[in-house]
Amino acid sequence: EPEVTQTPSHQVTQMGQEVILRCVPISNHLYFYWYRQILGQKVEFLVSFYNNEISEKSEIFDDQFSVERPDGSNFTLKIRSTKLEDSAMYFCASRSRSSYNSPLHFGNGTRLTVT
Amino acid sequence: GIQVEQSPPDLILQEGANSTLRCNFSDSVNNLQWFHQNPWGQLINLFYIPSGTKQNGRLSATTVATERYSLLYISSSQTTDSGVYFCAVVSGGGNKLTFGTGTQLKVEL
Repeated sequence: EPEVTQTPSHQVTQMGQEVILRCVPISNHLYFYWYRQILGQKVEFLVSFYNNEISEKSEIFDDQFSVERPDGSNFTLKIRSTKLEDSAMYFCASRSRSSYNSPLHFGNGTRLTVT
Repeated sequence: GIQVEQSPPDLILQEGANSTLRCNFSDSVNNLQWFHQNPWGQLINLFYIPSGTKQNGRLSATTVATERYSLLYISSSQTTDSGVYFCAVVSGGGNKLTFGTGTQLKVEL
């Protein structure tokens, strides 16, 4: 069964550094998402992306965050200047179509630790 | 936005016991998924169930969309069932999943 692939599985970075989290969505999917989960809390929506542009974003997704689909397969989340509170698990997800009757498929996540 | 509440927040079971987890949502939904988050943090998709009933092995789920709730049944629980169970919904004209508060399940020998 096709999977959403995320790399790296763990990333440790120093405060103020830029990080790029990478995702390869399922190949025929059209909608892409990033979510995050701070340790012990629920999973929160960050941003959705369709047709090479952001379709929706949350209040969390401020100017420090950006997303990009640089080629036909990768989908990236960049944090420009990391803060301690950015430490979390980041999940990428994709969906095949916009209609409601299609599930989101999640990757295994990247655990980001900011020191 | 839509509110998604899960109960109970915590649950401890003896191996072999059955349990029911509940998900209540505050508005009509077009999509509902149940996930199991394992101890390594991975989100495992259990069910895509905007309405009706589905079964997969020892797990089954029922969504009654008109009454705004969904139930996840775990039968003959095993220690590997431990983890956090999340329901997540898509409401209105949106396309993003909103996650619930989760149920932390621990299955003991």
